[in-house]
Amino acid sequence: QKEVEQNSGPLSVPEGAIASLNCTYSDRGSQSFFWYRQYSGKSPELIMSIYSNGDKEDGRFTAQLNKASQYVSLLIRDSQPSDSATYLCAVNPGTYKYIFGTGTRLKVLA
Amino acid sequence: DVKVTQSSRYLVKRTGEKVFLECVQDMDHENMFWYRQDPGLGLRLIYFSYDVKMKEKGDIPEGYSVSREKKERFSLILESASTNQTSMYLCASSLGGGVIETQYFGPGTRLLVL
Repeated sequence: QKEVEQNSGPLSVPEGAIASLNCTYSDRGSQSFFWYRQYSGKSPELIMSIYSNGDKEDGRFTAQLNKASQYVSLLIRDSQPSDSATYLCAVNPGTYKYIFGTGTRLKVLA
Repeated sequence: DVKVTQSSRYLVKRTGEKVFLECVQDMDHENMFWYRQDPGLGLRLIYFSYDVKMKEKGDIPEGYSVSREKKERFSLILESASTNQTSMYLCASSLGGGVIETQYFGPGTRLLVL
C-alpha cells in the first residue's frame, strides 16, 4: 500500500516564527510532490509543487525535497495567523492518481 | 486561472434517494476526479476520468457511479444514498497528457444524508 504520512498536529507556532511541516512517502518511484492549504470547511488550495531534489522558494514558502530519504517538507517563514489551516501533502507516483496525506493542522498564535 | 465549479455547496438528502453531484471545469482539462473527505481519513479517490466517456474506479467506488458525457463536465451519482455517504465531496481536474500533473479543486459539496 503506497502511503503518505504526516503528523496530524496541531503544530503551534508564534506569529513571526518559521513553521516546518513534514511529509514522508513510501513509493520510491514518486515523481512530483505538492503542498495544499485547506482552511476549515473549504477545499484544498495549491501552494507549492516540487519535482527535483533541493529547495524551491515562493514568497514566504519553501518546499524541500529529498528523494533519497523519501521526505518532503514545507517551511513557512514569518508565519501569520492567516496561515492557520490544515496543510496536505500530496504525492504523484507517476500515474493519474495522487496519494494524499491526512494533513497537518497548523495554528499560528498572535 | 483554472476554475472548477461544483453544482451545490450544501445538500441534504434522504436515505435511498438518488443524488447527483456535478462538476464543471473551464480549462479544457483531460482528467477529472471525485474525492470524498472525512475527518481523520483524508482525501479518498472515488472515481476518475481521463477522457470523455472514460472512467476508472478509485479506492472507494462502492455505492457510486460517474458520468462524463462532455469534456468539461464530470458527474458523481449516488445510486441510493446512505447515511455513511454523508461527507464532503471534492471535484478536481488536471491538464492531462504529462508526467507531472497538478490537480485543481472545486469548492466542495457538503452532503448530509438523513
